[in-house]
Amino acid sequence: QQQVKQSPQSLIVQKGGISIINCAYENTAFDYFPWYQQFPGKGPALLIAIRPDVSEKKEGRFTISFNKSAKQFSLHIMDSQPGDSATYFCAASMVWGAQKLVFGQGTRLTINP
Amino acid sequence: DSGVTQTPKHLITATGQRVTLRCSPRSGDLSVYWYQQSLDQGLQFLIQYYNGEERAKGNILERFSAQQFPDLHSELNLSSLELGDSALYFCASSVGRGDNYEQYFGPGTRLTVT
Repeated sequence: QQQVKQSPQSLIVQKGGISIINCAYENTAFDYFPWYQQFPGKGPALLIAIRPDVSEKKEGRFTISFNKSAKQFSLHIMDSQPGDSATYFCAASMVWGAQKLVFGQGTRLTINP
Repeated sequence: DSGVTQTPKHLITATGQRVTLRCSPRSGDLSVYWYQQSLDQGLQFLIQYYNGEERAKGNILERFSAQQFPDLHSELNLSSLELGDSALYFCASSVGRGDNYEQYFGPGTRLTVT
């Protein structure tokens, strides 16, 4: 019940296209859903996050869509650029109590120029 | 740069040995988290400290231990090392109270056990 399932494992998108990564969770106690971006040899960097009281959050080219009833959330990268090529991780945690992040398995995103 | 620092960057050691990884959180952050990243297990939570006290434990092996010191830096001790302990070890920090729960990760320590 602690799992977060992420898909796809890898994704290739043309420059200027939309990249979409999906995640699903089981534990309804989760109430914080961040996305992290990781470049090779670096630590995960917080990209954008959402709480379940809203269905969408947008920051620049990055948008999180959240569906509480389906227990799913997704990351959309608009106008994808070669510099967006990285591994993306979704995660979930509880704001109160154990704040440990439960991560998805990651998606390796490649943006072709 | 997240403001979280970790030393050393790389560590190569032999099976059976003991190593200590060090983490300094962002200024003002009271919570420190340790995560392990491996190819087969992905990113896994190990342990969390808040203001010097252990707050939560994940799938941390008994051979591993951690502590957080009065100056809030933290150390992760790995002993009786096995080949399977080779991984990236990340430290993250957060304010850890109220509405401030965002976790910021350090650059990691790459541990290779030979």
